[in-house]
Amino acid sequence: GAVVSQHPSWVICKSGTSVKIECRSLDFQATTMFWYRQFPKQSLMLMATSNEGSKATYEQGVEKDKFLINHASLTLSTLTVTSAHPEDSSFYICSARTVYGTDTQYFGPGTRLTVL
Amino acid sequence: GEDVEQSLFLSVREGDSSVINCTYTDSSSTYLYWYKQEPGAGLQLLTYIFSNMDMKQDQRLTVLLNKKDKHLSLRIADTQTGDSAIYFCAERNTDKLIFGTGTRLQVFP
Repeated sequence: GAVVSQHPSWVICKSGTSVKIECRSLDFQATTMFWYRQFPKQSLMLMATSNEGSKATYEQGVEKDKFLINHASLTLSTLTVTSAHPEDSSFYICSARTVYGTDTQYFGPGTRLTVL
Repeated sequence: GEDVEQSLFLSVREGDSSVINCTYTDSSSTYLYWYKQEPGAGLQLLTYIFSNMDMKQDQRLTVLLNKKDKHLSLRIADTQTGDSAIYFCAERNTDKLIFGTGTRLQVFP
């Protein structure tokens, strides 16, 4: 149980285009999903916290107009990188938190974004 | 501030025990976690410990928590080559997880 999927696994896009990444909790409901960014050989940095049906809460330094987050249902959150630039190239990982028990976060497999 | 520190690298022989250490700064953390990340993959939850516990054992994994020193460790018994990965500790601060810098574990035959 507690499986989280991400789509796509990897994406290459041209500079200036927008890219949407989906995060789904497959076998549980998640009122809260989190989006992280990981640079090579570095730790995960939280970008934003997404609650179903409300606006996302962004961490300091993360541009909300550039990284659009939508959490329309209890099993789906999307991250759209708008007007992507090469410095946005990174590994993006989402996690979903269960609504019961220890509130453990379960992580998706990640999406590698390369912007040319 | 919220800093979670880990040593960067650990190399062990197959069959030996591995001990990965982590120090954190937020004494109000409720849960502390250990995650495993294999190359190009997401994070796999290995185990967690509640802040009022000193120790938790789960098969080959033993977690020790010294709350006074804000020190957390993960011991892997009988380490196998499949255990080679990056291990992250994380503390839960209200709604968020604060991750450590990660320890790369290399297991050699």
